Amino acid sequence: DAGVIQSPRHEVTEMGQEVTLRCKPISGHDYLFWYRQTMMRGLELLIYFNNNVPIDDSGMPEDRFSAKMPNASFSTLKIQPSEPRDSAVYFCASSVIAGVDTGELFFGEGSRLTVL
Amino acid sequence: SQQGEEDPQALSIQEGENATMNCSYKTSINNLQWYRQNSGRGLVHLILIRSNEREKHSGRLRVTLDTSKKSSSLLITASRAADTASYFCATDAWGGGNKLTFGTGTQLKVEL
Repeated sequence: DAGVIQSPRHEVTEMGQEVTLRCKPISGHDYLFWYRQTMMRGLELLIYFNNNVPIDDSGMPEDRFSAKMPNASFSTLKIQPSEPRDSAVYFCASSVIAGVDTGELFFGEGSRLTVL
Repeated sequence: SQQGEEDPQALSIQEGENATMNCSYKTSINNLQWYRQNSGRGLVHLILIRSNEREKHSGRLRVTLDTSKKSSSLLITASRAADTASYFCATDAWGGGNKLTFGTGTQLKVEL
């Protein structure tokens, strides 16, 4: 399996521009997670989906952030408008979860976003 | 907010030595997991220990869990230069939904 695929790997943009990050989860995985990693705040869960439905978006910092999962093989995280404080590495992860236990997460390589 | 706090923040050892990292957390858990992150890469799952388990082994890794103290430790024996990475604990909180909350991480450097 190719693993979780994220694009772009690197994005440099100017403040105010729209940013779209993309994720393809592992086939057959029914959970998808978006995390953000910064030096100051570490790894933060932004939102997660189960069977394409958003379950918990309490980690989304503000209305400038939105995420969608139109089908089982694709998700996007959009920031509009972007701000310098959004600079971070954004990770997508997927998993198969049976029962109440959260099992192993499979992470993509991340999208490093720099907002100037 | 961070569920897990790791200690130490950074650790430097010589190849062949053992490395021990500790994780403390705040709430009741279903399980606790450890992940490794090489510089510039995604996180990779190492091991999962359930709340009713006290110790688990996988190759050179040994994980312990003390739910009464809300703490876990990861021991890497006979470390190698390739073990140089950041290590994170992650907790699956009981009743918290199917999600993991990650700790602050320990940066391990193994020198030749």
